[in-house]
Amino acid sequence: TQLLEQSPQFLSIQEGENLTVYCNSSSVFSSLQWYRQEPGEGPVLLVTVVTGGEVKKLKRLTFQFGDARKDSSLHITAAQPGDTGLYLCAGRSSGTYKYIFGTGTRLKVLA
Amino acid sequence: GAVVSQHPSRVICKSGTSVKIECRSLDFQATTMFWYRQFPKKSLMLMATSNEGSKATYEQGVEKDKFLINHASLTLSTLTVTSAHPEDSSFYICSARGTVTSGSVIDTGELFFGEGSRLTVL
Repeated sequence: TQLLEQSPQFLSIQEGENLTVYCNSSSVFSSLQWYRQEPGEGPVLLVTVVTGGEVKKLKRLTFQFGDARKDSSLHITAAQPGDTGLYLCAGRSSGTYKYIFGTGTRLKVLA
Repeated sequence: GAVVSQHPSRVICKSGTSVKIECRSLDFQATTMFWYRQFPKKSLMLMATSNEGSKATYEQGVEKDKFLINHASLTLSTLTVTSAHPEDSSFYICSARGTVTSGSVIDTGELFFGEGSRLTVL
């Protein structure tokens, strides 16, 4: 069974601080996605990474896919209260269309 | 972008009854849809892969007779929770796999999620 472990599980920080969320697995993924989910809603896709070592930026968010395609990180610069939510990574192995979700990181940014 | 709609968004039912949740891709055809279950403050757990015109593929530990999935058309998949019990109360989310084309077919495997359906079994 594939496992995608995210760390930390919970994070509460002050507005303006930086943070990094990690997504780790022993499995190799052909692609990895990051989502943010608000309570009572479906997840919203932030980014998809497919190449080992790939770095993508989305405004204050920086996503990196590990060289071996087993891990990924999400870095948020100058966090804002609007960044509050559940962050989920999801990996897809080659030969399958299904994504397995990570354990999740709940972020709260205090004003 | 691609839109996936779930209905109902909230449902309350009595123990022992069956509940059907619909997942529709509104502006694209989805040969593959996925059903997830999410417990409060937890991540999404993949329940099954729904394939149009064929039987669903269930993940280990998911009772296929309990959670009936039907994908009768390219835009609709349904999840029926049969003989529901309070422990079936959860947030159920569907997603449809989209295909991006740019000249040639490029499948990024992007998932488009529905809004989710909250089931409460009394």
